[in-house]
Amino acid sequence: GDSVTQMEGPVTLSEEAFLTINCTYTATGYPSLFWYVQYPGEGLQLLLKATKADDKGSNKGFEATYRKETTSFHLEKGSVQVSDSAVYFCALHAGNMLTFGGGTRLMVKP
Amino acid sequence: NAGVTQTPKFQVLKTGQSMTLQCAQDMNHEYMSWYRQDPGMGLRLIHYSVGAGITDQGEVPNGYNVSRSTTEDFPLRLLSAAPSQTSVYFCASSASGPRNEQFFGPGTRLTVL
Repeated sequence: GDSVTQMEGPVTLSEEAFLTINCTYTATGYPSLFWYVQYPGEGLQLLLKATKADDKGSNKGFEATYRKETTSFHLEKGSVQVSDSAVYFCALHAGNMLTFGGGTRLMVKP
Repeated sequence: NAGVTQTPKFQVLKTGQSMTLQCAQDMNHEYMSWYRQDPGMGLRLIHYSVGAGITDQGEVPNGYNVSRSTTEDFPLRLLSAAPSQTSVYFCASSASGPRNEQFFGPGTRLTVL
């Protein structure tokens, strides 16, 4: 079945550091890929998405490129802020379901 | 718009008790779903609905029932609570399925003793 694998956290960075959170997937066909973010005490929010190979999703300085050849959708940001501290989830859509990875907690220190 | 609302925010049950987690949305979304969130396991889909009167099972449906009598409401019923159902439960909705942005409620933290 479909699955999503994310790097385990927590990831701890200093403010203005470069961020990469790895995400790889296994799926039949060509799923749409998503990154969702969960701030403390809240539900998830869509951060960005990509619907086909080589698409780049971007939002709030975050980017991720749909790489079919490596089945990956790594999340990057050039300069993180304390306010980016949250849990990040990679997900894929196939059929009527959304399949999530285990989540990666990011902690950004001032 | 209130978006997606869930009640209660917190609940403690004893093993064997039953309860209903409420979920409502005011965005006229056809697709609604329930997830549970457990540490290190991300979110796992319990049940989903593509419209009023239509429901289907997700990845972990055992021990849970749902119904969808209106577009707005999608309650989740625990028939006989077990400690393994201790989790945080999220309801979500979207227009036309999960390929579109899903809007999540604030969650219900359930503890089963």
